Amino acid sequence: QVQLVQSGAEVKKPGASVKVSCKASGYTFTGNYMHWVRQAPGQGLEWMGWINPNNGGTNYVQKFQGRVTMTRDTSISTAYMELSRLRSDDTAVYYCARDLSTSTSCYDYWGQGTLVTVSS
Amino acid sequence: DIQMTQSPSTLSASVGDRVTITCRASQSISSWLAWYQQKPGKAPKLLIYYASSLESGVPSRFSGSGSGTEFTLTISSLQPDDFAIYYCQQYNTYPGTFGQGTKVEIK
Repeated sequence: QVQLVQSGAEVKKPGASVKVSCKASGYTFTGNYMHWVRQAPGQGLEWMGWINPNNGGTNYVQKFQGRVTMTRDTSISTAYMELSRLRSDDTAVYYCARDLSTSTSCYDYWGQGTLVTVSS
Repeated sequence: DIQMTQSPSTLSASVGDRVTITCRASQSISSWLAWYQQKPGKAPKLLIYYASSLESGVPSRFSGSGSGTEFTLTISSLQPDDFAIYYCQQYNTYPGTFGQGTKVEIK
């Protein structure tokens, strides 16, 4: 069965960077785009971007351009999302989510979420 | 960006009730709309895609309809497991945007 398992919670200071991992299993990792979506406490869902695990191509939402980097390691079926220059309003749960296909931006499987807390 | 507006924001209902949630898009998105269910502390779960296609494993009491700018999610007979927050999401145009959510709570 398809599973996405994310790394554990992180506490970071403002200005630092965080890197969240998402290990995929149960399907061909390179066959579906992987997206990252975040959810601030008590708030709605916000798409950040996607990575094509097949060739490493990425597409980031304008808001995060220059601060977010999505990468992958196909040898271990793992996607990564790194967010730099963290601010307090980056405090959120970060989810990886598998695309239904390639770049549809509809998500059929989600990781369990990684809470990133930014606090001085 | 396309704005997605859900109504109501909160819905109080009883087990066995028929429940309908509406989602409106700020411009036409054809049928590129998904519905997700989220329970506290959990990741969202895909229920419906392409406006009316039921995701595998999702109970048949869930159904979706609509096209263009107006969509609905219907739960035909509300079950205890259905109390949650429901989000619509358009994926017609980047960036895919979500509605603000509808909380279905126990009456």
